[in-house]
Amino acid sequence: QSVLTQPPSVSGAPGQRVAISCTGSNSNIGTGYDVHWYKQLPGTAPKVLIYNNDNRPPGVPDRFSASKSGTSASLAITGLQAEDEADYYCQSYDSSLNHWVFGGGTKLAVL
Amino acid sequence: QVQLQQWGAGLLKTSETLSLTCAVYGGSFGGYFFTWVRQPPGKGLEWIGGINHSGRTNYHPSLKSRITVSFDTIKNHFSLKLTSVTAADTAVYYCALVGPTRFYFDNWGRGTLVTVSS
Repeated sequence: QSVLTQPPSVSGAPGQRVAISCTGSNSNIGTGYDVHWYKQLPGTAPKVLIYNNDNRPPGVPDRFSASKSGTSASLAITGLQAEDEADYYCQSYDSSLNHWVFGGGTKLAVL
Repeated sequence: QVQLQQWGAGLLKTSETLSLTCAVYGGSFGGYFFTWVRQPPGKGLEWIGGINHSGRTNYHPSLKSRITVSFDTIKNHFSLKLTSVTAADTAVYYCALVGPTRFYFDNWGRGTLVTVSS
């Protein structure tokens, strides 16, 4: 049971928009800790996709955007492409647990 | 460019000690937190522990009695030891860095699959 809750899977056709939610609580997202998003391709390490709620590292296309509100966050991907098929994880910090926490991950399928 | 290179034994028997090392290259790392994240096969990511440059450690509560993370300031290596492993500890173990004033993992090692068998 992950501290941050994500849907197990989402899917969309090429060119469409999908969104992945990340629900936390008042001891993590809701208390002001930033949310970060990672993309993980099979057999590889995760890579930062979005940091500090809505910032993209260099090289990440602007098709990827994210937001945070209250105890939740959301990652949006527009203009879906085949190479977007991957696992996506949200991550924050929890003040009650005093450690970093991840969502359970969402598998994105591009139909 | 920061690089992390990790190594360690990939096959253990129940009750043995898991031991992994991660070398950090490409910068000065004062203020960083050096961490370990694991991922059981087919499952999600779990932060398990870490250490800062001053030697302050933080461990996942469920592993606190079995885990030790240490840092060698001369070699710029940090290490993970997990004692009394069971099949539940089978996972890919990643070393990862958290940069100064950041709360996210911005550099990762390639991962080491550790399998625990009886």
